[in-house]
Amino acid sequence: ETGVTQSPTHLIKTRGQQVTLRCSSQSGHNTVSWYQQALGQGPQFIFQYYREEENGRGNFPPRFSGLQFPNYSSELNVNALELDDSALYLCASSPRPGQGPDEQFFGPGTRLTVL
Amino acid sequence: KQEVTQIPAALSVPEGENLVLNCSFTDSAIYNLQWFRQDPGKGLTSLLLIQSSQREQTSGRLNASLDKSSGRSTLYIAASQPGDSATYLCALNNYGQNFVFGPGTRLSVLP
Repeated sequence: ETGVTQSPTHLIKTRGQQVTLRCSSQSGHNTVSWYQQALGQGPQFIFQYYREEENGRGNFPPRFSGLQFPNYSSELNVNALELDDSALYLCASSPRPGQGPDEQFFGPGTRLTVL
Repeated sequence: KQEVTQIPAALSVPEGENLVLNCSFTDSAIYNLQWFRQDPGKGLTSLLLIQSSQREQTSGRLNASLDKSSGRSTLYIAASQPGDSATYLCALNNYGQNFVFGPGTRLSVLP
């Protein structure tokens, strides 16, 4: 069974640039959620994708956008980067929402630094 | 709006002690609660998942309980080891979409 993978591991960007982060879900999982974790804080929910559609969104501006592909992998795109976007970005996969225990499995994260 | 707190924020104990980490939440209408471990700069490792209909789950030296009526969950770690040093996070699932995390408890187990 393949776990959740994320790429890249680390990324350095400058303010105003755009970034794309990638996530491959665990085998058999069709739901992907993205979280932002600032240093010393718990993860904050960005959004969730199920069957290539956004299925819930947290309190993040529209410059945070995403995609899910037919193979259930996902991308997180952030436009017009700001210094406060520096964080660990975590991807989690789970079975179909509301079906079964909805246990989440997390990837190792992508550390984004905005200068 | 669901709010989650964890007490204590940090804890340092000698090896071998039994310890309890606390998680409190404001909205008892939860689908499930999950405890995670996070090593510095790393992703989250799932420890235990408790469904809303359950009161506790056990895995090895770990035991997690859930009391929805009081808005509390506890994670009990028996016979702590230096390898248990990490940040422990609880997360609540409000019916499928939105997992809300606590800020975590940073645990140090001293040899």
